Amino acid sequence: KAGVTQTPRYLIKTRGQQVTLSCSPISGHRSVSWYQQTPGQGLQFLFEYFSETQRNKGNFPGRFSGRQFSNSRSEMNVSTLELGDSALYLCASSSQVGRTEAFFGQGTRLTVV
Amino acid sequence: QQQVKQSPQSLIVQKGGIPIINCAYENTAFDYFPWYQQFPGKGPALLIAIRPDVSEKKEGRFTISFNKSAKQFSLHIMDSQPGDSATYFCAAAGNTGKLIFGQGTTLQVKP
Repeated sequence: KAGVTQTPRYLIKTRGQQVTLSCSPISGHRSVSWYQQTPGQGLQFLFEYFSETQRNKGNFPGRFSGRQFSNSRSEMNVSTLELGDSALYLCASSSQVGRTEAFFGQGTRLTVV
Repeated sequence: QQQVKQSPQSLIVQKGGIPIINCAYENTAFDYFPWYQQFPGKGPALLIAIRPDVSEKKEGRFTISFNKSAKQFSLHIMDSQPGDSATYFCAAAGNTGKLIFGQGTTLQVKP
């Protein structure tokens, strides 16, 4: 069974630009969550989608948004990039919402210059 | 109340030793406690998880101990190996999919 696939693996963007990251969950999984990982703040929850609906949102500004498609694939978008947005963005896939096993992809390393 | 506190920040043990990583939480609504292992350049990998209705769970060389009254849980790695050198994260979740992570413990197992 294929794991969680995130693309691209690496991105370099300039301040003020926007970026879109993609996540394909494990086949059959309908829940996708996004996390930001930085050395200073650790792993922080961004949002969760299930059946194309956002079920939960973390404490991030509105510049961070996401969506989920009917095939469960998800994208997250960051607009007006800031230097502080440089991080590893991780996607996690679960079979359902709530206290179930979550499997992470390898992440997208975003560098904002 | 949403925090999960993890200690120590770093840990060095000899091969064969038993590193122990501890986590504490405040929110009594949490009822799912997974541990993740992360190698450099990789995403976190689910190692083992426990729910509050049991006090201990073993999977291979990894054991979670859970103390509901103290709101604490810990990871023990038996017969540790150099290949176990990684960063370990505890986490907690309630009735949503939102995982609250500890700050991580960098483990080094010396040959």
